[in-house]
Amino acid sequence: NAGVMQNPRHLVRRRGQEARLRCSPMKGHSHVYWYRQLPEEGLKFMVYLQKENIIDESGMPKERFSAEFPKEGPSILRIQQVVRGDSAAYFCASSPNGYGQYFGPGTRLTVT
Amino acid sequence: AQSVAQPEDQVNVAEGNPLTVKCTYSVSGNPYLFWYVQYPNRGLQFLLKYITGDNLVKGSYGFEAEFNKSQTSFHLKKPSALVSDSALYFCAVRDPGGNAGNMLTFGGGTRLMVKP
Repeated sequence: NAGVMQNPRHLVRRRGQEARLRCSPMKGHSHVYWYRQLPEEGLKFMVYLQKENIIDESGMPKERFSAEFPKEGPSILRIQQVVRGDSAAYFCASSPNGYGQYFGPGTRLTVT
Repeated sequence: AQSVAQPEDQVNVAEGNPLTVKCTYSVSGNPYLFWYVQYPNRGLQFLLKYITGDNLVKGSYGFEAEFNKSQTSFHLKKPSALVSDSALYFCAVRDPGGNAGNMLTFGGGTRLMVKP
C-alpha cells in the first residue's frame, strides 16, 4: 500500500501565476487534510476534506486559496495569483476515519 | 536523515493525575521540535515548540515539554490531566541544518485517554 503521495515535490512560480498542488491519499482513505509550513515555523492547519465535501476550512486564507477532493482523482490545493508570502512547504495528510493521519512528503512552493 | 519516535501507541491516565507523552528524535544538527494535538474530525493543532533557549517550553492548554539533548527526547507533560485532553498527540522534528530543509518529520502519534 503506497503512502500518501504529493506532487510535485518542488514547484516554482512567478508572482501572479497559479499553483496547483496534488495529493493522492492512501488507498481506502477518504479524509484529506492540508497544512502549510512557513519557514522557521511548524505546521498550520488549512483545510479538511472528505470526498466531495469540505469539512473544516477554518485555516484557509479567505482569498486566492481553494481546495477540492473530487469523487475521483487526487485532492487539489489551488493558489491563485501567488505572492512571495505563499512560499512554504505544503503538506497533505490522509486518514481512513478522520482521526489518525498519515502525512505525505510535502510540496515545497517557491514564489519568485 | 531526521526521525521521530513515539514509543507508546496509547497512554491512559486518570483525571487529575500528571501525564507524560514520550517523544525521542534523531537529527544531525540542533533540532526544532514541535507537539501537535488532533481531536476527532479536526486537523492538527499546534501546542508548542522548542527552537532554542530554556529547555522547558510552555504551550497551549497547560501543556509543557522538556527538551533533553543528552537523551534526545522532547516529552510532553501536563501536571493535571483533564478528560478533555483525550486526543491524538503528534511529535515532530525539523533539522534546520539538514538536507530536509524546513520539512517536518512526524512521529506516529500517541493516543491519550484520560478517564474520569
